[in-house]
Amino acid sequence: SQTIHQWPATLVQPVGSPLSLECTVEGTSNPNLYWYRQAAGRGLQLLFYSVGIGQISSEVPQNLSASRPQDRQFILSSKKLLLSDSGFYLCAWAGSSGNTIYFGEGSWLTVV
Amino acid sequence: SQQGEEDPQALSIQEGENATMNCSYKTSINNLQWYRQNSGRGLVHLILIRSNEREKHSGRLRVTLDTSKKSSSLLITASRAADTASYFCATDADSSYKLIFGSGTRLLVRP
Repeated sequence: SQTIHQWPATLVQPVGSPLSLECTVEGTSNPNLYWYRQAAGRGLQLLFYSVGIGQISSEVPQNLSASRPQDRQFILSSKKLLLSDSGFYLCAWAGSSGNTIYFGEGSWLTVV
Repeated sequence: SQQGEEDPQALSIQEGENATMNCSYKTSINNLQWYRQNSGRGLVHLILIRSNEREKHSGRLRVTLDTSKKSSSLLITASRAADTASYFCATDADSSYKLIFGSGTRLLVRP
């Protein structure tokens, strides 16, 4: 069966520091991969999605970037965090035909 | 951009009652999905309804889709305290590669 792992689960970082959130998927190949952000009590905002290694589509211009160095690995990064980057970050995957998306457990980021 | 908008934003009901949540969207879709999120957790897929379907059932869940009105509803029958969560609709309007989520309905089921 397929599983998705996302870490770290919680993170407190000072303004201006770098960020790296990592996500890996097991039990499938060539998945579509996604990063979403959720502000407290709000809906999900699609940040990035990838349909293959090295292929990244950005939905919202911002302080963040994403990379897909391997087929089942998706990384969310920032060189310098802003206070507004605080939130709940969710990695997700879907089969290459799309449709249903399966989420990781999320990473809470607090920028102080 | 926000595609799906849920209504109401929050709903409080007594255990055993039915809960109905609505979702409206703006553009044509291939399918619409409903997800559930427990507080502080990832989202879990509940049900998918295709644009050529009008109604779908899964256990205590019933989803309807009206493409002429660009709306969907999720009905949870005989609610339980464990149904307390946020519920989101999601559509694939722009592309089959990505889902756009609404802002969600927070459901509280009182024991």
